[in-house]
Amino acid sequence: KAGVTQTPRYLIKTRGQQVTLSCSPISGHRSVSWYQQTPGQGLQFLFEYFSETQRNKGNFPGRFSGRQFSNSRSEMNVSTLELGDSALYLCASSLSTSGTDTQYFGPGTRLTVL
Amino acid sequence: GQNIDQPTEMTATEGAIVQINCTYQTSGFNGLFWYQQHAGEAPTFLSYNVLDGLEEKGRFSSFLSRSKGYSYLLLKELQMKDSASYLCAPKNAGNMLTFGGGTRLMVKP
Repeated sequence: KAGVTQTPRYLIKTRGQQVTLSCSPISGHRSVSWYQQTPGQGLQFLFEYFSETQRNKGNFPGRFSGRQFSNSRSEMNVSTLELGDSALYLCASSLSTSGTDTQYFGPGTRLTVL
Repeated sequence: GQNIDQPTEMTATEGAIVQINCTYQTSGFNGLFWYQQHAGEAPTFLSYNVLDGLEEKGRFSSFLSRSKGYSYLLLKELQMKDSASYLCAPKNAGNMLTFGGGTRLMVKP
């Protein structure tokens, strides 16, 4: 079974631009969560989608948004990029929202904002 | 709110045993995960504990005490490839994982 895939793997943008990242979950998984990882802050939760609905949201500004499609693929968008948005963005998929379900991570998208 | 505390760095010798501790405070506790993350790579799942006690999986074991808000990951017969960050992540109600800052383990020959 294929793992979680994320595209693109690397991205360079300039301040003020916007960016869209894509995540395809493991086949059959309906829950997709997004995380931001930086050296200073570690892994921080952005949001989680299940059946095209946002179920949980972390403490990030409204510039960060996401959506999920009927095939469970998810996108996240960051508008008006700031230098501090440079990070590794990880998505993770799980079967559902059950507490016992394990989240499996994709390889991440490395975003650099200049 | 949620608070997770684990050591920032640890060093151990190849072939030895190391225990990485994690204390947490979380609302609506729904299990605790341990992930391994090599530099520049995505986290990979190691273990999940929802009940008190020890879960053993090969060279890796994980322990949980819900009443104490405490977990540890035990790595036996350390190998050089075990050099990585180890992330403690309790899950609250719903599907929200909160990650600690991670423990960077360096295994020396």
